[in-house]
Parts: sequence; C-alpha cells; structure tokens
Amino acid sequence: AQSVAQPEDQVNVAEGNPLTVKCTYSVSGNPYLFWYVQYPNRGLQFLLKYITGDNLVKGSYGFEAEFNKSQTSFHLKKPSALVSDSALYFCAVRDSADSNYQLIWGAGTKLIIKP
Amino acid sequence: DTGVSQNPRHKITKRGQNVTFRCDPISEHNRLYWYRQTLGQGPEFLTYFQNEAQLEKSRLLSDRFSAERPKGSFSTLEIQRTEQGDSAMYLCASSYTGDSYEQYFGPGTRLTVT
Repeated sequence: AQSVAQPEDQVNVAEGNPLTVKCTYSVSGNPYLFWYVQYPNRGLQFLLKYITGDNLVKGSYGFEAEFNKSQTSFHLKKPSALVSDSALYFCAVRDSADSNYQLIWGAGTKLIIKP
Repeated sequence: DTGVSQNPRHKITKRGQNVTFRCDPISEHNRLYWYRQTLGQGPEFLTYFQNEAQLEKSRLLSDRFSAERPKGSFSTLEIQRTEQGDSAMYLCASSYTGDSYEQYFGPGTRLTVT
C-alpha cells in the first residue's frame, strides 16, 4: 500500500540557518513526489515535484528537495531560512504504476522560523 | 492570475441544513478534485472529475455528499443534512490531464456546522 510519512510534527529553525523537512514514502512502482506549503487559512501552494531525472529538484521560494531512491526519501531543504517560511508543509506521493489517481498525503510538518 | 477560486470562503450552517460549495478551476485544466481537510491534518481525497465525468469517489463520501461538474468547467459539492462532523475546510484543486502534473488548489471553503 502507498504511504507517506513526515516524522516530525514540528521543526524549529533560526532565521538564516539551513532547514530540512523530512519525508519518506512507500510505493510499489516509481514515485511521483510533491511538496506543498500551506499558510494559515489558505489553500495549499505547490512548491516542487520529482517525476524523473535529476535527484535534486529546485522549486519556488528557494526551496529544493532531494530524491533518494535507496532511502525512499524526499526531504525538503533550504539553505537559509526566512521568518516568512513559517508555515505547514505537506509531502505527497503518487505511484506511477497505480491506476488510482489519488495523491497520498503526509500529515504535515509545522515549520517555525525564529528571528 | 486566474487561479482556482472557491465560493463561499466561509459557511456557517445549522445541523440538518443543506449546503453547496462552488469551485472554478483553472480554465485549461481538465481534472478537478475535491478534498476535505481538518485542523492539523493533510487533505483527505473526496472525489475527482476528468472533464464532466466523475471518475472516482472516496469511501469518505457518504450518501449525503454529491458533486457535479456539469459542463466540465466549474464544479459544485453539496452536503445534505449536515452534521457537526462535517465541519472542515473543503478544498478544490485542478490539474492538467496526466499523472505527473501537480494540482493547484483554491483557497478553500471553511464549513462550520453548529
């Protein structure tokens, strides 16, 4: 069965420091992986995706994510955090071999950037 | 920027009443999705359309829930005989046809059932 795990409910980082938000997944076939961000009382905004190709993908607002097939991980990273990055981050996966078109979502990680 | 729009943004209703939400997707997108999200949780899939065809429904979608996309453009989600457990944020998203395309979300409709 497909699943996504975001092992940290909350991540605290000082402004200017690098940040990592973790995501691991389980699918039968090849994964399509996505990161979204949600600000309070707002819908989800797409940040980046991995479909195929380079394991390091770059997205919006300076975020990037590294696909690691052996560790079944897709961690979100940013070299220097901003206070405005504080939000809820969701990882999602779809199994390319599955005829079901649903995305499977993680429970979310709250990122808090302190000045 | 013609993103996904949803109306109303907020709805307060009394238990037992019917409510209807509207979603207008990005115009070039063939796929439209409905999700429900409760506080601190990820989105839960409810249903999705490709053009006007409803191709999949979650088991979460009880008989009280119905969704339509009559002309393959906007969609409506109706909840009949609302219950307090229906209180949540209802999110709509749209995407191009194709499994690798990302979904773009609207701002959501927050439903409160009193």
